[in-house]
Amino acid sequence: SQQGEEDPQALSIQEGENATMNCSYKTSINNLQWYRQNSGRGLVHLILIRSNEREKHSGRLRVTLDTSKKSSSLLITASRAADTASYFCAPWNTGFQKLVFGTGTRLLVSP
Amino acid sequence: DAGVTQSPTHLIKTRGQQVTLRCSPKSGHDTVSWYQQALGQGPQFIFQYYEEEERQRGNFPDRFSGHQFPNYSSELNVNALLLGDSALYLCASRQGQGVRSAFFGQGTRLTVV
Repeated sequence: SQQGEEDPQALSIQEGENATMNCSYKTSINNLQWYRQNSGRGLVHLILIRSNEREKHSGRLRVTLDTSKKSSSLLITASRAADTASYFCAPWNTGFQKLVFGTGTRLLVSP
Repeated sequence: DAGVTQSPTHLIKTRGQQVTLRCSPKSGHDTVSWYQQALGQGPQFIFQYYEEEERQRGNFPDRFSGHQFPNYSSELNVNALLLGDSALYLCASRQGQGVRSAFFGQGTRLTVV
């Protein structure tokens, strides 16, 4: 299966804390993408990490990739209430040419 | 740039009816994918269009069909609606068939009663 599986399914933290969510996948990949979805709305692309990269930063986001373990993690530092959303990882393989999503991690950041 | 636009935003249909959802991709994008997202679940891939042809298809019955027009816009058609078809339908676009991130519309909320 191409899809990634996010863990945990749900995460509840206070504002200012860091949030870490993980993604595991089974196929070989060319890159892995993370998306955010606010309740009932479309997904927004957050960051793409290529298979030859181990770590990537974008603002308060830090993504790591371990292709030997077929896993990735997304760290959101100094979380804000506005970070409350569902987060999805999408492993990408050029052979598949499509994004496949798991059930996501639901993050709740309380003020 | 309007991004990806979908219409309508909400729709209520009766079981057995047919529905057409529409998507205009982001400017410069020629690949359109459709997803179905049930409440509390992740988006499920329905199919993808490129150069007016269906290139990829997920595990959905033939009641789900689509079309892409020369201007790259796309339609999703669902026939013989079932209660289980109630979901958020998302359209995503990207440029070409290479390795690029996708841009999503805000979705169409379909309720089948």
